[in-house]
Amino acid sequence: DTEVTQTPKHLVMGMTNKKSLKCEQHMGHRAMYWYKQKAKKPPELMFVYSYEKLSINESVPSRFSPECPNSSLLNLHLHALQPEDSALYLCASSQEAGTLITGELFFGEGSRLTVL
Amino acid sequence: QKEVEQNSGPLSVPEGAIASLNCTYSDRVSQSFFWYRQYSGKSPELIMSIYSNGDKEDGRFTAQLNKASQYVSLLIRDSQPSDSATYLCAVKSANAGKSTFGDGTTLTVKP
Repeated sequence: DTEVTQTPKHLVMGMTNKKSLKCEQHMGHRAMYWYKQKAKKPPELMFVYSYEKLSINESVPSRFSPECPNSSLLNLHLHALQPEDSALYLCASSQEAGTLITGELFFGEGSRLTVL
Repeated sequence: QKEVEQNSGPLSVPEGAIASLNCTYSDRVSQSFFWYRQYSGKSPELIMSIYSNGDKEDGRFTAQLNKASQYVSLLIRDSQPSDSATYLCAVKSANAGKSTFGDGTTLTVKP
């Protein structure tokens, strides 16, 4: 069983809808990530939260809004998405090592998003 | 030049053979190196991490790192059909808050 849990597993939404993806990790990790993955492509980093603060935003459009309510939870709020935003959205976490994040990523199973 | 480059693939090997997956990187200050396995329709799974030059073995998997040549590889011994997947190489620099992924190499192990 994965220790990074994502909900929902599948989501279909229209371009005017507002929805949220949720992620929870139970490993005590202090860094959490959102990735987007298209078919036959590697994961593409969107956001990184380190110690509950947004540390990296890879110039993601504002229709994607991340939120980290606490060190175990990560949300991705979706609004006014486009069909090209359809993809697998992956949450990941990593352990701290002193002041460095080790980089070993533990992924959830992903949320497959379809935008109509 | 891409920051992390992998064999273009796909790679096909017979069951029981050694599969060799290669990765080169451009950032000389890279310090952490990872191999992830991703089955079709699933999420990536960390299978190996390596931080210093040399070999690191874990069961049938061996990661090899050569920082002078900026090269990291993954060997899978006694390949099984269940090893058929896409293998992603990822590289992280010290103090960087993120890893950079290669495009992945798809491996097929034929019975």
